[in-house]
Amino acid sequence: DQQVKQNSPSLSVQEGRISILNCDYTNSMFDYFLWYKKYPAEGPTFLISISSIKDKNEDGRFTVFLNKSAKHLSLHIVPSQPGDSAVYFCAASGNQFYFGTGTSLTVIP
Amino acid sequence: KAGVTQTPRYLIKTRGQQVTLSCSPISGHRSVSWYQQTPGQGLQFLFEYFSETQRNKGNFPGRFSGRQFSNSRSEMNVSTLELGDSALYLCASSHLGEQGPFGQETQYFGPGTRLLVL
Repeated sequence: DQQVKQNSPSLSVQEGRISILNCDYTNSMFDYFLWYKKYPAEGPTFLISISSIKDKNEDGRFTVFLNKSAKHLSLHIVPSQPGDSAVYFCAASGNQFYFGTGTSLTVIP
Repeated sequence: KAGVTQTPRYLIKTRGQQVTLSCSPISGHRSVSWYQQTPGQGLQFLFEYFSETQRNKGNFPGRFSGRQFSNSRSEMNVSTLELGDSALYLCASSHLGEQGPFGQETQYFGPGTRLLVL
């Protein structure tokens, strides 16, 4: 039972444009959400997080939005750069961490 | 601080063998979690250890086991390997508060151990 879902396996964006990665969850008890970035042959790297008491958190080019009523979060990357090409995982914290299946982002120069 | 380290990085085994993977968390982190990553399945939670005790366990068969030592280092063992066990095994550590699991803590991952079962 996948409690965190990333329905888009892949996304391609032109350099300089906005990348929007989406994530849905099913458990309303989740209170902390995270995004990780993963390059091939490396472990996931923590990118940005958001608490359920907020609806937005920004860190440089990365912004995470949380819509609790819709049980939906998204990661915005502006402007997108070729070095952002990686697999992005969203995760939710409950009694354990639940991860989505990832979205592979390709930023085209 | 040094990051999470995992050894070995790559491993090839045959069916029926057993394997032990090792993880050293970030200094000061007392929680260690293990995940299995396979194509299309994301990160599947195996188990989490805190202060040498298993606190959470995912939905994996008993062939998968782990332990944590007093220095917070952790090992994961898989017995009677099957072809389907081929995966990237990731270890993550976090600095937990005493009041319960995770809360607002963030997990930091090691580079993983790539296991191939032939």
